[in-house]
Amino acid sequence: AQSVTQPDIHITVSEGASLELRCNYSYGATPYLFWYVQSPGQGLQLLLKYFSGDTLVQGIKGFEAEFKRSQSSFNLRKPSVHWSDAAEYFCAVGADSGYALNFGKGTSLLVTP
Amino acid sequence: AAGVIQSPRHLIKEKRETATLKCYPIPRHDTVYWYQQGPGQDPQFLISFYEKMQSDKGSIPDRFSAQQFSDYHSELNMSSLELGDSALYFCASSLASGALYTDTQYFGPGTRLTVL
Repeated sequence: AQSVTQPDIHITVSEGASLELRCNYSYGATPYLFWYVQSPGQGLQLLLKYFSGDTLVQGIKGFEAEFKRSQSSFNLRKPSVHWSDAAEYFCAVGADSGYALNFGKGTSLLVTP
Repeated sequence: AAGVIQSPRHLIKEKRETATLKCYPIPRHDTVYWYQQGPGQDPQFLISFYEKMQSDKGSIPDRFSAQQFSDYHSELNMSSLELGDSALYFCASSLASGALYTDTQYFGPGTRLTVL
């Protein structure tokens, strides 16, 4: 079964600094990969997704992610973090389009002044 | 743009009571999914429906049932509630058009269920 691992439970970055959140997936075929963000008490908002094609995908709010098959990774990046980016970030994988998503445990991002 | 609507947003129940959560998908979306997110946990898939038929099943307890109606809205029915059922319940919807890039799941704001 497909799964994802987010190695970092908490990450703290200074406002204006760059950010990289790690995600490693386990799946035999080409996975469908997603990054979602969840603010406290809120729902899940889709940041970006990868199905196939260009391995560098652009998302909303200035985020991007790069799919690296050789490393089984799909890390999320942002060049300059804003205080409003503080939230919980979930990486998710789907075996096939339209099927259930398996989420990682999430990474909690804290942004300091 | 219209989003997934869930009602109620908050629900408080006693143990052994029943609860019904409702989900209204994005217009034209034909697939709905239910997820449960416990405190400090990642969302766990419960069940999904495509065109009113169950399409996938996850770790949904036997005390829970769900269905999708002809207008594509869905209801999650929970009986004999337990303290451990306290969680945020998300509904997501997608459009299964057969084109790869459309089967993205869009999540609603969730229903926070508290069982006392």
